[in-house]
Amino acid sequence: EDQVTQSPEALRLQEGESSSLNCSYTVSGLRGLFWYRQDPGKGPEFLFTLYSAGEEKEKERLKATLTKKESFLHITAPKPEDSATYLCAGDSGGSNYKLTFGKGTLLTVNP
Amino acid sequence: SQTIHQWPATLVQPVGSPLSLECTVEGTSNPNLYWYRQAAGRGLQLLFYSVGIGQISSEVPQNLSASRPQDRQFILSSKKLLLSDSGFYLCAYSLGSGNTIYFGEGSWLTVV
Repeated sequence: EDQVTQSPEALRLQEGESSSLNCSYTVSGLRGLFWYRQDPGKGPEFLFTLYSAGEEKEKERLKATLTKKESFLHITAPKPEDSATYLCAGDSGGSNYKLTFGKGTLLTVNP
Repeated sequence: SQTIHQWPATLVQPVGSPLSLECTVEGTSNPNLYWYRQAAGRGLQLLFYSVGIGQISSEVPQNLSASRPQDRQFILSSKKLLLSDSGFYLCAYSLGSGNTIYFGEGSWLTVV
C-alpha cells in the first residue's frame, strides 16, 4: 500500500530561521512527488512537482528536493506569511492520476 | 487559464438530510475531476474521480455518491447524511497528460 509520511507534524520558527520539512514515501513506481501549501480554511495550492531523484525546484524562499526515498522542502529565511500547512503527495501512476497525501506539516513563523 | 469553482462554501445540515455539493471547472475541456475529503488529523482522502461524462469511480464505500452530468461539472451527493460525513470537501481537477491536481476552495460540511 502506498504511504506518505510527513515530519514534523508541527514546526515553529522565528522569522529568518531556516529549516526543512520532510516527506518520506513508499509509493510503488513513483511518477511524481508533489508539494502543496494550504492556508486555514482554504484548498491546497500547488507548489512543486518533482519527477526524479536529484531534481530540485525553487520558488521564492522555498526549495524542494527529491531522493529515492524522501523529499525535503527547505525554507530559507522564512517570513510570517509562509505560515501554513505544507502537504506532500505521491503519484503512483495509472490513468487517473490519484495522489496519496501525507497528513501535512503545520508551519508557524513568528515575527 | 483554468479556474475551479465550488459551492456552497459552508453548510450545516441535520442528520438524515440530503446533500449536494457542486463544482465546475472553466477554461478547459475533458478534465479529470476529483472529490476529496479532509478530516482533522487525517490526510486528504480521495472519494471519487471521473475521467469523463458519466464515468465515476469510487474509492471509499460510503453513503456518498458523485455524478458528472456535464463535461466540466462534478456533483457530490448524499440521500441521508450521517454525523461522520462532517468534514472539509474539496473538488479538484487535472488536465490531459499532466498529473498535477488543482484544488477548489473547499466546502465545510457540518452534520448536526
